[in-house]
Amino acid sequence: SQQGEEDPQALSIQEGENATMNCSYKTSINNLQWYRQNSGRGLVHLILIRSNEREKHSGRLRVTLDTSKKSSSLLITASRAADTASYFCATALGGNTPLVFGKGTRLSVIA
Amino acid sequence: DAMVIQNPRYQVTQFGKPVTLSCSQTLNHNVMYWYQQKSSQAPKLLFHYYDKDFNNEADTPDNFQSRRPNTSFCFLDIRSPGLGDAAMYLCATSRGKTIAKNIQYFGAGTRLSVL
Repeated sequence: SQQGEEDPQALSIQEGENATMNCSYKTSINNLQWYRQNSGRGLVHLILIRSNEREKHSGRLRVTLDTSKKSSSLLITASRAADTASYFCATALGGNTPLVFGKGTRLSVIA
Repeated sequence: DAMVIQNPRYQVTQFGKPVTLSCSQTLNHNVMYWYQQKSSQAPKLLFHYYDKDFNNEADTPDNFQSRRPNTSFCFLDIRSPGLGDAAMYLCATSRGKTIAKNIQYFGAGTRLSVL
């Protein structure tokens, strides 16, 4: 079964608005990662947040992690049409267990 | 510069005809992964190599095999493709001794069609 589940499944916003995507997971994690996938392409790593971190920033991206609620959010500020993509969270349980990807959120940013 | 390269980008095969997808990396990473991704779904891990050690996911069909002849190359063999095997196949790599602590680098994928 999926470890990470993103919410919403799809999101459509106007350029300049902020986009927030959420990820919930079921078991304790070592870290949580967010990836982006443009249509028909491979995934690109965006940001990694460790279990002992609560918030991380990278450019227009802000990721939060609440281990008590087993949830994370990805905020993209001042969105651009080029941000249109699918965004996946992936959880790392620890050791040599591979990442488990959620189903993703499809973000459409309308110019 | 491309670091994880998948060839071909598009592959068409016939039902039941064996097909091989290839992946190469210039990162010298220890770990290589193969994922299957169907439309609007999460990437599903098929197997991964930790150096030469092969790790198969429990629900990966026997129809799927893999080879890693050296650090740089990894192949996905589908012995008898069915219509349900049509998907995007993604190769990824990661560095280091502890898989969970490392990010993954993906190739652009090979889209497989089965006629």
